[in-house]
Amino acid sequence: DVKVTQSSRYLVKRTGEKVFLECVQDMDHENMFWYRQDPGLGLRLIYFSYDVKMKEKGDIPEGYSVSREKKERFSLILESASTNQTSMYLCAAQGQGFHIQYFGAGTRLSVL
Amino acid sequence: AQSVTQLGSHVSVSEGALVLLRCNYSSSVPPYLFWYVQYPNQGLQLLLKYTSAATLVKGINGFEAEFKKSETSFHLTKPSAHMSDAAEYFCAVRGHSGGYQKVTFGTGTKLQVIP
Repeated sequence: DVKVTQSSRYLVKRTGEKVFLECVQDMDHENMFWYRQDPGLGLRLIYFSYDVKMKEKGDIPEGYSVSREKKERFSLILESASTNQTSMYLCAAQGQGFHIQYFGAGTRLSVL
Repeated sequence: AQSVTQLGSHVSVSEGALVLLRCNYSSSVPPYLFWYVQYPNQGLQLLLKYTSAATLVKGINGFEAEFKKSETSFHLTKPSAHMSDAAEYFCAVRGHSGGYQKVTFGTGTKLQVIP
């Protein structure tokens, strides 16, 4: 099975801080995703990447950026964290031509 | 364009009773459909998927779902609920025309199983 590892389960940051969320997958999958999960809103796509150094905006990219320097690693960056970015963040990986997304356990971020 | 609608953000069933979680989809191209489950403090994992083969799809843990094109539905069922089924369930849709196709998730249904 694909393993997707998110570096932190819980993070507490202050408003205005720069925040890095890291995600690593071990199956050489081309596609990686960052979602935000909020109660009643389900999962919303922030950014995805289909190859190293390639990225595409999802549905809610404002206030976020991403980095994919190596195939196995996909980072989500909050340049200046705000309280409305308090949420659960989920990373996923998917192989090209495959249908299934494999998810990490999530990072619960609180911005105070 | 594609979307999914999950009817009922919370569903409660007694242990041993039928589980029925509803999902209706909209897609401008033939869809792939998925059900994912999220246990507390975990990420999502795939329960089952429909990819245009058999319309009745069996998944893990005794769950199954039936693709009904005429009703644009993909409801999830399990004949007898177990306490371990308590989780949040997400329906998802993805078109399969050429190129990358985004997956769109529903808003989720939390299943409570009452002893």
